[in-house]
Amino acid sequence: GAGVSQSPSNKVTEKGKDVELRCDPISGHTALYWYRQSLGQGLEFLIYFQGNSAPDKSGLPSDRFSAERTGGSVSTLTIQRTQQEDSAVYLCASSPSAVGYEQYFGPGTRLTVT
Amino acid sequence: AQTVTQSQPEMSVQEAETVTLSCTYDTSESDYYLFWYKQPPSRQMILVIRQEAYKQQNATENRFSVNFQKAAKSFSLKISDSQLGDAAMYFCAYRSLTNAGKSTFGDGTTLTVKP
Repeated sequence: GAGVSQSPSNKVTEKGKDVELRCDPISGHTALYWYRQSLGQGLEFLIYFQGNSAPDKSGLPSDRFSAERTGGSVSTLTIQRTQQEDSAVYLCASSPSAVGYEQYFGPGTRLTVT
Repeated sequence: AQTVTQSQPEMSVQEAETVTLSCTYDTSESDYYLFWYKQPPSRQMILVIRQEAYKQQNATENRFSVNFQKAAKSFSLKISDSQLGDAAMYFCAYRSLTNAGKSTFGDGTTLTVKP
């Protein structure tokens, strides 16, 4: 079946602009995660959804970052007033549930803030 | 809070030989999951192998196996008969059962396979 998809694949934006990153999880997966990966680094947790609710937003780095999930499916990560330090690859993952299962990752969105 | 440490930023192996990637973690929990993921230049994270902490037997998946030492909080990955396609960045990850919302990842090890 189809895997996790993310769009756009690459996004270049000017400092100060808002951006929206989209994630389509695997159908039926109730858990959805956003991570940020800076160049050559590990993954930094941002936010987790179980269904449409976000029990854990602890990783969002500032109030410029927000995310929502609708219909228990598609999720959008929004970064307002982008800064150069926001440049990174943003990875989305989904899982059949939050407990015990591995996470299936999308290909990521590479965000470059100029 | 859990931490995951991969002490080898880069490793190199000759094709057909064996290489071991190290991972240690810190946790106060008794039950959890551990994973190794592979990330090739395409950026797509691929699950290599998983280990449940309550299982004493080390997980094996074809040429990939782990050495899980729970008391030492060590979770190394052994790749046997290395192939050119194994070249990638490898991440060790910890996943709690109580705070199941997120996984904690190490900083990764870049594996180069020499022909």
